[in-house]
Amino acid sequence: AQKVTQAQTEISVVEKEDVTLDCVYETRDTTYYLFWYKQPPSGELVFLIRRNSFDEQNEISGRYSWNFQKSTSSFNFTITASQVVDSAVYFCALRPIIQGAQKLVFGQGTRLTINP
Amino acid sequence: KAGVTQTPRYLIKTRGQQVTLSCSPISGHRSVSWYQQTPGQGLQFLFEYFSETQRNKGNFPGRFSGRQFSNSRSEMNVSTLELGDSALYLCASSLFGVEDGYTFGSGTRLTVV
Repeated sequence: AQKVTQAQTEISVVEKEDVTLDCVYETRDTTYYLFWYKQPPSGELVFLIRRNSFDEQNEISGRYSWNFQKSTSSFNFTITASQVVDSAVYFCALRPIIQGAQKLVFGQGTRLTINP
Repeated sequence: KAGVTQTPRYLIKTRGQQVTLSCSPISGHRSVSWYQQTPGQGLQFLFEYFSETQRNKGNFPGRFSGRQFSNSRSEMNVSTLELGDSALYLCASSLFGVEDGYTFGSGTRLTVV
């Protein structure tokens, strides 16, 4: 079975602070995809990143960066110099690469509030 | 291009009734998936359709059903509504499957009273 744990239910920081959202996953599959999504108040989930389990290289996109460590089954997300617009609920998700497994297993989400 | 469109945006139903939710995917996308989001259970997979065929189904009772039409539009139906069915129902589309990257709609918020 697969499981994604986001231990931080809520995080609140002041604008311009750096913040890291933790994600730990469990899977018996050797190959899988990991995702991060952002859910603003409007409700839709916005895709942020996909990482293949073969690729442990960290990624940076503007103020966003992701740290994937297979050894600890973690895929953490860092926002540098946070802004009020970053306020949202963030979800980490796992998809095993098994034929027919067309679904995502989501963590419970972390509600991030950036205060001005 | 237009995104994923879900209708209606909000819905209030009475316990015991049935409801149909609609999802129009991005043009050209053939895979449509449905998720239920509740405060207690979080985001849970309902089912996925590809070219009018259900490819995957989550662990939900038979009261939850869906279908996909030849134009890739999808509907999901919940019969004999229960209070616990109150949730945000999200639809996501992709070209061929989840690894292509989902695009989600804004969801239908269903309230059962």
